[in-house]
Amino acid sequence: NAGVIQTPRHKVTGKGQEATLWCEPISGHSAVFWYRQTIVQGLEFLTYFRNQAPIDDSGMPKERFSAQMPNQSHSTLKIQSTQPQDSAVYLCASSVQNTEVFFGKGTRLTVV
Amino acid sequence: TQTVSQSDAHVTVFEGDSVELRCNYSYGGSIYLSWYIQHHGRGLQFLLKYYSGNPVVQGVNGFKAEFSKSDSSFHLRKASVHWSDSAVYFCAVTGGSNAKLTFGKGTKLSVKS
Repeated sequence: NAGVIQTPRHKVTGKGQEATLWCEPISGHSAVFWYRQTIVQGLEFLTYFRNQAPIDDSGMPKERFSAQMPNQSHSTLKIQSTQPQDSAVYLCASSVQNTEVFFGKGTRLTVV
Repeated sequence: TQTVSQSDAHVTVFEGDSVELRCNYSYGGSIYLSWYIQHHGRGLQFLLKYYSGNPVVQGVNGFKAEFSKSDSSFHLRKASVHWSDSAVYFCAVTGGSNAKLTFGKGTKLSVKS
């Protein structure tokens, strides 16, 4: 069990460029979550899927952020027209329902 | 809406001391409470959880937490800390049928030798 795998670990993008972050949840886990972590805001919920279906995207900035889960083995978080305020560590996590949530090591996104 | 409050941003103790990290929550329905630890530069790791039953739950590395409905609290405790316990500790709540975790701001625990 390699745990939740996130790629890349670090990404630097220029302002206005697109960034795609990848997540491979633990095999057999039905729920997949995306969080964002910054010093100022702490851990912010973005969105989550259950059995690949989007359940709650209440934390997603509406205009430039989108998340997909095309199959049970991976999810992507796409940020269009990145801005400096998007710089953060983006965390993916997975779980079997109502049990502990396992987090990946995160992708550190830096927008310059 | 569920909220989590961790009143102490930073706690400093000496190795061998006991420690309590405080967590208070607000939510009107059934809840699932948990604690996570994040060592510097590393990912979040699960420590323990409470959903129902015995209000005192045991976690890894000697940590335990006690749920109190009357106080809306889920404080984390350890009887004797080690320098390797230095990390940021996050309390989280999950409410009802929505599985998302809502985290507190975290408490940074510094253990001095």
